[in-house]
Amino acid sequence: GAVVSQHPSRVICKSGTSVKIECRSLDFQATTMFWYRQFPKQSLMLMATSNEGSKATYEQGVEKDKFLINHASLTLSTLTVTSAHPEDSSFYICSARLLANEKLFFGSGTQLSVL
Amino acid sequence: EDKVVQSPLSLVVHEGDTVTLNCSYEVTNFRSLLWYKQEKKAPTFLFMLTSSGIEKKSGRLSSILDKKELSSILNITATQTGDSAIYLCAGESGTASKLTFGTGTRLQVTL
Repeated sequence: GAVVSQHPSRVICKSGTSVKIECRSLDFQATTMFWYRQFPKQSLMLMATSNEGSKATYEQGVEKDKFLINHASLTLSTLTVTSAHPEDSSFYICSARLLANEKLFFGSGTQLSVL
Repeated sequence: EDKVVQSPLSLVVHEGDTVTLNCSYEVTNFRSLLWYKQEKKAPTFLFMLTSSGIEKKSGRLSSILDKKELSSILNITATQTGDSAIYLCAGESGTASKLTFGTGTRLQVTL
C-alpha cells in the first residue's frame, strides 16, 4: 500500500529556534498533503492543507507565519515551526492521499518538545 | 464548523467480549466517514464508508454508516489484547476533502 514517510520522528529544541518537519509520499504523487497536530489525550486537529505548487490553506486559528508550509514537489511537503515556544510542543503528523475519494495515509508523526 | 463526536471516551473490556464504538458527525457537504486505529503514533486505516446501510467487514471488525442519523458504529467481536488502542472516527467534507476527527475512544482489552 501507499506509504507516507515523516522525518524526524522526535525533536527537542530550545525556545526560539525553528524546526523543519518533512513529509514524503514514497510510492505515489500527492498533490495535496494535510498537516495535523495532536495534543496529549486530544484528537487530531487539522492545521493546514498543503497544495503542490501553490500556497497552503490554513485552518482558522493557525498562524501561517509561524507554521510555514512548503509543497515544492509532488512527493514532499515540509512544515517549519518558526521561533518555537513550549506551547508548540505537540505531536505533528502529516497525511496524503493517492487520489481523490481515496483513503488518507498518515506519516509516522513527529513529537516536538520545545524547552 | 464541522464536528465529530465519539462515545464512549474510554472503555475497558475483557478478552473475548464484543464492543461497539459510536460516532456521530456534522460535516458540511459530507463525503465519507473513516475509522482509524491509533496505537502508538500514526493512525492506521480501518474503514472508509460512503454509503448508508452497507456493512464493511474486516476480520473481527465491522462498521456501518447511517446517513439518516448522521452516525456510524464500529464493532469488534471476540476482542483481543492487541485491539487495545484509540479508535478515531473522522468525517470528510467534500468541499475541501479535509477530515474532521473525533476525540477518539480509548479501548483497553484485559485478560
